[in-house]
Amino acid sequence: NAGVTQTPKFQVLKTGQSMTLQCAQDMNHEYMSWYRQDPGMGLRLIHYSVGAGITDQGEVPNGYNVSRSTTEDFPLRLLSAAPSQTSVYFCASRRTFRDTEAFFGQGTRLTVV
Amino acid sequence: QQQVKQSPQSLIVQKGGISIINCAYENTAFDYFPWYQQFPGKGPALLIAIRPDVSEKKEGRFTISFNKSAKQFSLHIMDSQPGDSATYFCAASILLGGTSYGKLTFGQGTILTVHP
Repeated sequence: NAGVTQTPKFQVLKTGQSMTLQCAQDMNHEYMSWYRQDPGMGLRLIHYSVGAGITDQGEVPNGYNVSRSTTEDFPLRLLSAAPSQTSVYFCASRRTFRDTEAFFGQGTRLTVV
Repeated sequence: QQQVKQSPQSLIVQKGGISIINCAYENTAFDYFPWYQQFPGKGPALLIAIRPDVSEKKEGRFTISFNKSAKQFSLHIMDSQPGDSATYFCAASILLGGTSYGKLTFGQGTILTVHP
């Protein structure tokens, strides 16, 4: 059972480039979310989805887009990368939004130069 | 707006000692308070959690103490071991009612180092 899989693990982008961070889960979870982790800031919610076709903004959504066309996949798109988006990104899933345990992927370390 | 404040930022304890990490929250609608443990290069994983209808929850060497009136909760690690060295995050969520859809609000994190 793979759980939550994120790709790539590391990425370097130039300012202005776009890219998509991939997230897939094989647990048939309805609820998926993206966080960014920065030193001294904890984990901050970027976007979340309560089910296929439904997404909403979190605490820090600017500069990011998401879509949820299937239950399994929840990609995060950076439209025009900026140095302020240098961070470690985590995808997480839960069975439903009322379930208590969130399962996290191993993260993507993104550097924007 | 940081709704969950965590302290200290870093903590060093000796093997066998007690590690204590504190969190304070603002939103009285929060009804679920988990702690996550993160090892270097890994994603966070649920360690222990509490609901506000109890004042303490213990699982092995890990205990959550909860003070509803003070809007504070803390993680105690008894007999700390080098293998406990990790980053710990407290969090809060509204699971029942409201329109927040169970969003987790995390504290800033505490880097725990346990010396042998």
